[in-house]
Amino acid sequence: AQSVTQLDSHVSVSEGTPVLLRCNYSSSYSPSLFWYVQHPNKGLQLLLKYTSAATLVKGINGFEAEFKKSETSFHLTKPSAHMSDAAEYFCVVTDTGRRALTFGSGTRLQVQP
Amino acid sequence: DTEVTQTPKHLVMGMTNKKSLKCEQHMGHRAMYWYKQKAKKPPELMFVYSYEKLSINESVPSRFSPECPNSSLLNLHLHALQPEDSALYLCASSQDRLAAGELFFGEGSRLTVL
Repeated sequence: AQSVTQLDSHVSVSEGTPVLLRCNYSSSYSPSLFWYVQHPNKGLQLLLKYTSAATLVKGINGFEAEFKKSETSFHLTKPSAHMSDAAEYFCVVTDTGRRALTFGSGTRLQVQP
Repeated sequence: DTEVTQTPKHLVMGMTNKKSLKCEQHMGHRAMYWYKQKAKKPPELMFVYSYEKLSINESVPSRFSPECPNSSLLNLHLHALQPEDSALYLCASSQDRLAAGELFFGEGSRLTVL
């Protein structure tokens, strides 16, 4: 079985300050991990993916995430938040064996001017 | 072209109506998906098509009927829906089912059932 826990349902930061969105996972197999972003009234967009290559993964719009197997974590970070980053973020895990996708419950990022 | 196009963007229907949601992609992807998303919740998988054949039905009620006429098109036929079926319906595609985590989503069709 696999599961994803997004530790914060809501994160608020000021523009220009760092962003940290936390994700922990459990998986019976070697996992692939993804972060998706969803802006209001829009579909989801893939930000970045980890598929057992480099543990530090860079994505679009300045986001990156680090896969830490010992901590079963895949936290999303960005050095400096922009107003346009305000959105819902989903951490997703898939077992390469089963190819079943499990979404986390989501973290709403609010960026204050 | 890296887009998944969904129509209509908004749909209001009564419980006795029959309507359809449409999805189109021209990326040559061979897996296509329907997800349902309620407000402030993650998407929930409904159906998966792989090479135009239904490969996953997540125990979805028969009032939802998917169809994949060809490799670029995916439809969701709606009949006798309930108010609790009101949601954002998202279509997605991936290169194939092995790439199921790398999904390209449309903007969704927001359905309201009266």
